[in-house]
Formats: sequence, C-alpha cells, structure tokens
Amino acid sequence: DAKTTQPNSMESNEEEPVHLPCNHSTISGTDYIHWYRQLPSQGPEYVIHGLTSNVNNRMASLAIAEDRKSSTLILHRATLRDAAVYYCILRDDNDMRFGAGTRLTVKP
Amino acid sequence: DTAVSQTPKYLVTQMGNDKSIKCEQNLGHDTMYWYKQDSKKFLKIMFSYNNKELIINETVPNRFSPKSPDKAHLNLHINSLELGDSAVYFCASSQGGLAGGIGETQYFGPGTRLLVL
Repeated sequence: DAKTTQPNSMESNEEEPVHLPCNHSTISGTDYIHWYRQLPSQGPEYVIHGLTSNVNNRMASLAIAEDRKSSTLILHRATLRDAAVYYCILRDDNDMRFGAGTRLTVKP
Repeated sequence: DTAVSQTPKYLVTQMGNDKSIKCEQNLGHDTMYWYKQDSKKFLKIMFSYNNKELIINETVPNRFSPKSPDKAHLNLHINSLELGDSAVYFCASSQGGLAGGIGETQYFGPGTRLLVL
C-alpha cells in the first residue's frame, strides 16, 4: 500500500524530454520525495530527492508542486539506457515503501 | 569495486532446505537492509540493521533471520524454504538509517534470484 500513484507505463522517443508524474496527496510535512529507478535485471538506483524546492542533478530534475501533493521527474534527453521502472517514494523516519512504479520505454 | 555486493547471484534449491545469502558493502555505511521483490515486481523492505543492531523487522516469518557479523556485512539466513520464498532479494546500505536520516540515499546490490522447487 504505497502512498504514491504513478502511471503504469510511459513511452518516449530517444533524445526527447520525459516527464514522469507522481501523485502523493497524503504527503505529510516531513516526507521527502525520492525517486529511484530499476533497470532490467538490476537493483534499484537512486535518481533524485527533494522536500519542497525543485532539484536538479546530473541525472534528472525534480519539480515539486507548491502544495507538495504531486511531483514530476524530468529526464531532459531520454536515452535508450534510461529504459527502466521509475519509482516515486515518500520517505519518512521509518518507511521506504516502493509502489508499482512507471515502466518507461524509450524508442529509438 | 562494487559498492554493494551479494552472493550468490542465483540460487535454486528444494523446498525445506536452509540457505544463506551474503551481502557486503564497502561504502563505510552504518545501515544495511534486505528487500524482497516478488513476481509482481513489488519491492518490500524486510529488515534494517544499524551498526549491527536490528532496527526494523517487517512482518517477515521467523524462518528469515538476518545476521550481521560487522557493520559491512548483513547476511540473510532462510530456514525451511517454501515455494513462496521464490523471489529476488536485494541488499542495500545507507550512511544513516531510515530513522536517522530522512534524506538518506540507499545503494542497492545486484540482487539474488532465489527459486524454490
């Protein structure tokens, strides 16, 4: 019973930006928003996290809504290697709960 | 060097057997975890260990016992294996724990694919 809702799957074309949405309407004030991804036959890999402000790193950007009830992971230029399941997770003191995630397919 | 390593990568065994999966991290992290990913691909935390002390034990049968000889290792022993134990088991580590560092990043191992026949 994950606390986040994500689309089951999305498709993107190579070299184009991808916006992966996540709804977390029950988020509390102390919950951090984490994104992980899992490439085929590998363990999950950290992508990015944030609390209130938008965040950028070398992998992606995280846009957090002002009310914090939703967020969007942005891959600026999708590559074939970005094909994976992307998990949006709310982290509090004692919980790291993965949902079903969004399976991203990248077409050449 | 691999940050979080697990052995074996694949494990096929008969029902009723006892088996162990080993995990080692060379990141100097204080906290280690075991996760189970079932056939529907849901990842669920099983255990969390901080400095050799059990912090979290989700509703896991007592046939599963984590053992931490030192803070770089967290092994998973499974007694009397059942068909339903077939899954991929992931070890992970982080600098702080779930209870001690809300923003902590977890580093996952490559997984151990367990098949119980």
